[in-house]
Amino acid sequence: AQRVTQPEKLLSVFKGAPVELKCNYSYSGSPELFWYVQYSRQRLQLLLRHISRESIKGFTADLNKGETSFHLKKPFAQEEDSAMYYCALSGVNSGGYQKVTFGTGTKLQVIP
Amino acid sequence: GAVVSQHPSWVICKSGTSVKIECRSLDFQATTMFWYRQFPKKSLMLMATSNEGSKATYEQGVEKDKFLINHASLTLSTLTVTSAHPEDSSFYICSASGRAEQFFGPGTRLTVL
Repeated sequence: AQRVTQPEKLLSVFKGAPVELKCNYSYSGSPELFWYVQYSRQRLQLLLRHISRESIKGFTADLNKGETSFHLKKPFAQEEDSAMYYCALSGVNSGGYQKVTFGTGTKLQVIP
Repeated sequence: GAVVSQHPSWVICKSGTSVKIECRSLDFQATTMFWYRQFPKKSLMLMATSNEGSKATYEQGVEKDKFLINHASLTLSTLTVTSAHPEDSSFYICSASGRAEQFFGPGTRLTVL
């Protein structure tokens, strides 16, 4: 079974402060991990994925297989970063089908 | 990025009626589409995986006869909520798999009176 845990429902930080959104996963195989973002009244959209190892809008995330974590980080938060962030894992389920499991989401609130 | 549309964006229906929600990939072909349900302040819950030309794969606890999924073409999947009840009221979101990425539709708000 695959599972994604986001322990924080809400994270409030001041503008300019560092941000770390936590994500831990459980999966027996080799996972593909993603961060999705949902801005207010907009659809869910991909922020970044671990295989591309890129920085999007200043955010980075490193896959730590030893700790089974994929935390999302940004050194200096901006007001426009306020949104709902979902960590997701893509793996093959017992039926042989690709399946994406989402965490419960963390609401990031950047205080001006 | 690729665009996925859903229709309708919201629907209100009476208890006992059936509601069909369409999911279209507008500029790419999607062999796989996913249907999610999102409860207020909760995460997305995968309901089923829809593969073009074959039967959908339902997640545990999701009633196949209640939530009928048809993936008739590479650009269209439909979710029909049959004999809807108030507890089926929710936000339904589809996504289409393409270019090694999932693209999400804007969602459909279903309210069953």
